[in-house]
Amino acid sequence: DAGVIQSPRHEVTEMGQEVTLRCKPISGHNSLFWYRQTMMRGLELLIYFNNNVPIDDSGMPEDRFSAKMPNASFSTLKIQPSEPRDSAVYFCASSSFPLADYEQYFGPGTRLTVT
Amino acid sequence: AQSVSQHNHHVILSEAASLELGCNYSYGGTVNLFWYVQYPGQHLQLLLKYFSGDPLVKGIKGFEAEFIKSKFSFNLRKPSVQWSDTAEYFCAVYTNAGKSTFGDGTTLTVKP
Repeated sequence: DAGVIQSPRHEVTEMGQEVTLRCKPISGHNSLFWYRQTMMRGLELLIYFNNNVPIDDSGMPEDRFSAKMPNASFSTLKIQPSEPRDSAVYFCASSSFPLADYEQYFGPGTRLTVT
Repeated sequence: AQSVSQHNHHVILSEAASLELGCNYSYGGTVNLFWYVQYPGQHLQLLLKYFSGDPLVKGIKGFEAEFIKSKFSFNLRKPSVQWSDTAEYFCAVYTNAGKSTFGDGTTLTVKP
């Protein structure tokens, strides 16, 4: 298995632009998580899905952030409009729920820089 | 709401020293506990996990952790660290409701 795939790996954009981050979970996993990691705030859970349904989006910082999971093999995290304080590494992770062992498998992350 | 507290923000050790990283959680129900490691420039990887049974769990690279239910703790230990253990370590709680919460992380620097 290729593991969790995220694209792009790096994104540099100007303030005000729309940013879309993509994630392909491991095949067969039915839970998907979006995290943001910064030096100041550490690792924050933004939102997670079970069976393509958003379960808890309380970590989404503002209405500028939105996430979708149209099917079991794809999810997007969109920021519109982007701001410099959104600069961070965004990780996607997937796991099996409620079966198996709940271990989350993390993707390589997308490093977002908003100038 | 569940929360995870890692007491040490940054730990500096010399090679061969023993390591213990603290982790406490708060949650009233059944939890599954994890330690993840993030090496410089890489993504998080599972180090070890606890679900049930023996509260002393062994992970990769000589790490182990002990779940003490009465103390809501899941401390990570290694008897002798190596320079290659330099990384950031995250404790995480995963409830049966499907939500995960990570601690703020502890950065471990091992001096050769």
